[in-house]
Amino acid sequence: AQKVTQAQTEISVVEKEDVTLDCVYETRDTTYYLFWYKQPPSGELVFLIRRNSFDEQNEISGRYSWNFQKSTSSFNFTITASQVVDSAVYFCALPQEYDGQNFVFGPGTRLSVLP
Amino acid sequence: GAVVSQHPSRVICKSGTSVKIECRSLDFQATTMFWYRQFPKKSLMLMATSNEGSKATYEQGVEKDKFLINHASLTLSTLTVTSAHPEDSSFYICSARDSIGYTDTQYFGPGTRLTVL
Repeated sequence: AQKVTQAQTEISVVEKEDVTLDCVYETRDTTYYLFWYKQPPSGELVFLIRRNSFDEQNEISGRYSWNFQKSTSSFNFTITASQVVDSAVYFCALPQEYDGQNFVFGPGTRLSVLP
Repeated sequence: GAVVSQHPSRVICKSGTSVKIECRSLDFQATTMFWYRQFPKKSLMLMATSNEGSKATYEQGVEKDKFLINHASLTLSTLTVTSAHPEDSSFYICSARDSIGYTDTQYFGPGTRLTVL
């Protein structure tokens, strides 16, 4: 069965520090997408990235970067020079096996960036 | 990016009343929408999958007579919490799947916070 693990329940950093959020997954699909979402205190989930399992190139978007390692089933997310506005809960997600409709979410990592 | 709206954002109701929550995809068509429930400091729990023009598929343990889902068009799904009780108080989030792009991406609404007194 599928599973998404985010081992870090809560992380606190001081502004401008770099922080990496871990995501490890299990799936029997040979091709799949992986996702990260951000949930700020307002509650709305914001789509951050979708990654195809074919593509193991690291991706960078501004201060955000993602490291996908298929060999270790990990899809880690790094925020460089963190800011207070990055404080949120971050979820890693994977579409359900075989039909890919609904998501399996990780438990989330609560990031607090202190000024 | 794709936008999903949800209405109302917050509702307080008396025990025994019914509450309807609307979820709309504003700039794309969604044959599939999802309804989640989220308890404080917890992850999202899928309640049901809503397919346009057909009956919703409910997850195990979710009462279909309690949580009525209707997906009448490609841009609108509704969740009605019938005869609400205090234990139904929660944060309800909908999402819409981008079916045209075949990317499996789900775009989420802003959520509805339901409080049942």
